[in-house]
Amino acid sequence: QVQLQESGPGLVKPSETLSLTCSVSGGSISGYYWTWIRQPPGKGLEWIGYIYYSGYTNYNPSLKTRVTMSVDTSMNQLSLRLTSVTAADTAVYYCARSLQGTLGATDHWGQGTLVTVSS
Amino acid sequence: DIQMTQSPSSLSASVGDRVTITCRASQSMRTYLNWYQQKPGKAPNLLIYDASSLQSGVPSRFSGSGSGTDFTLTISSLQPEDFATYYCQQSYSTPFTFGPGTKVDIK
Repeated sequence: QVQLQESGPGLVKPSETLSLTCSVSGGSISGYYWTWIRQPPGKGLEWIGYIYYSGYTNYNPSLKTRVTMSVDTSMNQLSLRLTSVTAADTAVYYCARSLQGTLGATDHWGQGTLVTVSS
Repeated sequence: DIQMTQSPSSLSASVGDRVTITCRASQSMRTYLNWYQQKPGKAPNLLIYDASSLQSGVPSRFSGSGSGTDFTLTISSLQPEDFATYYCQQSYSTPFTFGPGTKVDIK
């Protein structure tokens, strides 16, 4: 059973860069789309974007100038970078795997990691 | 971007009740619609994809229907473990937007 685990700093200062890693175990990164989604405390879900195992990416236009996703198939890891963060970027960040044969539906999720933007 | 709305935003129901949640899209998206359940402090869990396909392992009391702009999630007989927040998500065009959620709590 594939498992995903997000990791990274829980506190980031305003204007700095948020960097998260998603480690995948129990399955290969190859052949799937991988999605990052975030959820501000007490609020709804926001789609950040996806990356294919080949490295092809598609980002939410609202974040496109600040976000970078990458994949390391040898390490079975995904990475998310979000630059110039503000308090509005405070959220639980999830990585998730798309259901095989689909693009948007995500059937395996990490537990999420809370990132707080504060000085 | 495709805007998603859900109704109601919250509802109170009893165990055994039939519950229906509606999701509406700002433009037609065929059947590219997914439903998730989220419990407090947990990641969302995929229930339904492509509007009506039941995800593996999800109880058959959950069902989805609709196409175009109007979709429904139905729980045929609400169970104690179903009290949660439910989100729809369109996967027709990026960004894959979510609805605002429907919170189902105990009456």
